[in-house]
Amino acid sequence: DQQVKQNSPSLSVQEGRISILNCDYTNSMFDYFLWYKKYPAEGPTFLISISSIKDKNEDGRFTVFLNKSAKHLSLHIVPSQPGDSAVYFCAASPSQKAAGNKLTFGGGTRVLVKP
Amino acid sequence: NAGVMQNPRHLVRRRGQEARLRCSPMKGHSHVYWYRQLPEEGLKFMVYLQKENIIDESGMPKERFSAEFPKEGPSILRIQQVVRGDSAAYFCASSPWDRGYGYTFGSGTRLTVV
Repeated sequence: DQQVKQNSPSLSVQEGRISILNCDYTNSMFDYFLWYKKYPAEGPTFLISISSIKDKNEDGRFTVFLNKSAKHLSLHIVPSQPGDSAVYFCAASPSQKAAGNKLTFGGGTRVLVKP
Repeated sequence: NAGVMQNPRHLVRRRGQEARLRCSPMKGHSHVYWYRQLPEEGLKFMVYLQKENIIDESGMPKERFSAEFPKEGPSILRIQQVVRGDSAAYFCASSPWDRGYGYTFGSGTRLTVV
């Protein structure tokens, strides 16, 4: 039973354009959402997060949007750069404090940014 | 300030042997988490420990797997009598108590069972 799903296993985008990564969840108890970036042979690195009291959070080139009624979130990367090529994981937790505890991850989306 | 240190980076074991994976959390972090990533899948939670305590082991297989985080030294994930299906990347993460927006992962141990 996959509670967090990333339906696009891969995404290819031209440098300078927008990358849009999608994530859907089923558990209505999830209240806090995070995106992690992972390079090969390295551990995931925290990128950006959003609480359910917000519908948007922005950090530089990265923006996360949350549609709680649709149980859907997305990550926008603008403009995309070759160094953004990595696997991106969406993760969810029941609350911001509990995000220090167990996270439920999606299967990941592999992004390739072409120069 | 070193990050989360995991060793070994790569571990090869024959079926039936034991695997020991070590994780040293970041300085000042007293909470350790273990996740497993099977090939082409996302990370799956295994266990959450504080010093000398297992807080949540709901993701641990019922048999052959155990974890500890002693008062002194690294956290250890132990897999007894490994099977081919245990081949995966095992990631450790640590956090301080009041960190509410995620935690810091190590680079992982890639276990291969032959």
